[in-house]
Amino acid sequence: EVQLVESGGGLVQPGRSLKLSCAASGFTFSNYGMAWVCQAPTKGLEWVASISTGGGNTYYRDSVKGRFTISRDNAKNTLYLQMDSLRSEDTATYYCARRGKSPYFDYWGQGVMVTVSS
Amino acid sequence: DIQMTQSPASLSASLGETVTIECRASEDIYSNLAWYQQKPGNSPQLLIYDANSLADGVPSRFSGSGSGTQYSLKINSLQSEDVASYFCQQYNNYLTFGSGTKLEIK
Repeated sequence: EVQLVESGGGLVQPGRSLKLSCAASGFTFSNYGMAWVCQAPTKGLEWVASISTGGGNTYYRDSVKGRFTISRDNAKNTLYLQMDSLRSEDTATYYCARRGKSPYFDYWGQGVMVTVSS
Repeated sequence: DIQMTQSPASLSASLGETVTIECRASEDIYSNLAWYQQKPGNSPQLLIYDANSLADGVPSRFSGSGSGTQYSLKINSLQSEDVASYFCQQYNNYLTFGSGTKLEIK
């Protein structure tokens, strides 16, 4: 059974950093592209960042470029999102998601909440 | 950026009814479109990919269609467990989601 379990969320002050993790199991992690998608409270979904199977290619939405870094450790079956210079508008639930055969997402984690507030 | 305009924003229908949700892209996305269902308090689940391919384990009462800039999700024989929000997502050029449709039972 495919499982994606996020951790690392919480309350953080504006300008500070946070690192999210996503532990994957039930599939060969190194064979799949992965991504982070966020959802602000009572809002819709927004793609945040994606990473290729080996980690050599990364992609970001404009609003997080230069502030967020997506990475992966295939030996540990874990996906990461380093979030720096956090802003109040980054407040959201962050989902880890597995890329399908094309850049849609066939499995999602349960999500982790990030609140940026002073 | 490709904009996805989803309608309606909310929808109320009776059990057994057929409902249709639509997404319009700001440019041709060549059927690079997925639909997701998000039940209250849960994470999204893939329903449809490549505009009309049913994801594994999804009931056949769900179907997708469309081409070019216009796409739709149809739910036949509406059931109580279909209460959820539904989102479209284009993946032709980067990734953008529609704003969502909240489906309730009348």
